[in-house]
Amino acid sequence: GAGVSQSPSNKVTEKGKDVELRCDPISGHTALYWYRQSLGQGLEFLIYFQGNSAPDKSGLPSDRFSAERTGGSVSTLTIQRTQQEDSAVYLCASSLRSRGTGELFFGEGSRLTVL
Amino acid sequence: KQEVTQIPAALSVPEGENLVLNCSFTDSAIYNLQWFRQDPGKGLTSLLLIQSSQREQTSGRLNASLDKSSGRSTLYIAASQPGDSATYLCAPQGANNLFFGTGTRLTVIP
Repeated sequence: GAGVSQSPSNKVTEKGKDVELRCDPISGHTALYWYRQSLGQGLEFLIYFQGNSAPDKSGLPSDRFSAERTGGSVSTLTIQRTQQEDSAVYLCASSLRSRGTGELFFGEGSRLTVL
Repeated sequence: KQEVTQIPAALSVPEGENLVLNCSFTDSAIYNLQWFRQDPGKGLTSLLLIQSSQREQTSGRLNASLDKSSGRSTLYIAASQPGDSATYLCAPQGANNLFFGTGTRLTVIP
């Protein structure tokens, strides 16, 4: 596609429910990144994919968070048993190259609100 | 861990002024550095990418410089316009991801 596409753009859920956030990267981009931006905070790295594998999961805050990528394209970030502190904007980015040599392009984000 | 600091945190200038945004980072072992702008409620828009071997990069009214050894980058905006109002983020890139500070919130007053 023309840009990084994320869905849903907004999600309101109740505490304890599971949510799935989707990212469709720019066609041909092999690297995909998930970040989280809490209100008034900087962007927090969550996970990085190169193709379908995730060499770096170091940013996932707990085992309630998981992500997968299939076909070297679409990625899904899943949050199980959501908590209020999970409320944030979840941003996805993709890059043509891996290992720090490529320009990252971001989507518009998915705003998650946990009541 | 890479720490990124941007000064000032907020800046308000009259239209037409030239301005400089500052970024410092603690780990000079970076691959490149990217500048973004973020409008309220929106994602990040890439402005400039400077490779670690480069000293500066220009795009229109924007000029970014990089002094990797001292851990500093600056973004120069010439002849500022109200449409430049946004939060500006610098992000040095390590092996697997970008590191972000909290940005500089710029307001250009007509």
